[in-house]
Amino acid sequence: DAGITQSPRHKVTETGTPVTLRCHQTENHRYMYWYRQDPGHGLRLIHYSYGVKDTDKGEVSDGYSVSRSKTEDFLLTLESATSSQTSVYFCAISRTSGHNEQFFGPGTRLTVL
Amino acid sequence: ILNVEQSPQSLHVQEGDSTNFTCSFPSSNFYALHWYRWETAKSPEALFVMTLNGDEKKKGRISATLNTKEGYSYLYIKGSQPEDSATYLCAFKDQAGTALIFGKGTTLSVSS
Repeated sequence: DAGITQSPRHKVTETGTPVTLRCHQTENHRYMYWYRQDPGHGLRLIHYSYGVKDTDKGEVSDGYSVSRSKTEDFLLTLESATSSQTSVYFCAISRTSGHNEQFFGPGTRLTVL
Repeated sequence: ILNVEQSPQSLHVQEGDSTNFTCSFPSSNFYALHWYRWETAKSPEALFVMTLNGDEKKKGRISATLNTKEGYSYLYIKGSQPEDSATYLCAFKDQAGTALIFGKGTTLSVSS
């Protein structure tokens, strides 16, 4: 299995609070991604990174920010969580942007009350 | 935003049946097509990465074909087993895009 972990695995928070999710990899892959999974929508890309300090927006980036200060860590921050951000969040990594498969982390279940 | 369509949305087959799913994507500026298998309560796992028109990939009883000129890929499962029950995702990237676009998946249920 690819060395990719997410923390926390579960979190319950209240509307308006900041939340940070962490993705950590030991594979030295260049590309890292944050997705959210919601019923009826499948996997939707929030943000991705193509190197240290290099990030870009995905399909559903509003309300989220990311940072990548080291190759191995990709942080997803919800500055002020809303109930619509209740979801399961998956981190993924890949060596290239399309010609190599993505490896997914175990997921973080976030509930915003 | 590019559209990646998968059909059917779900299907139920009996053990031993063979089945196939379709993934449709834009036929211009093709770069790559991925298939992933996603079991309940687990994370998606890659099945195939396909990059050339006419590509055919096989892993055990599962195989996939790719037609980039008409914008579709088929995933075949021969002799379905209960352990094949999962959601099968395809994902597409064109040459201008910077990340994969995932379809919503086909959920397969295999009864013994």
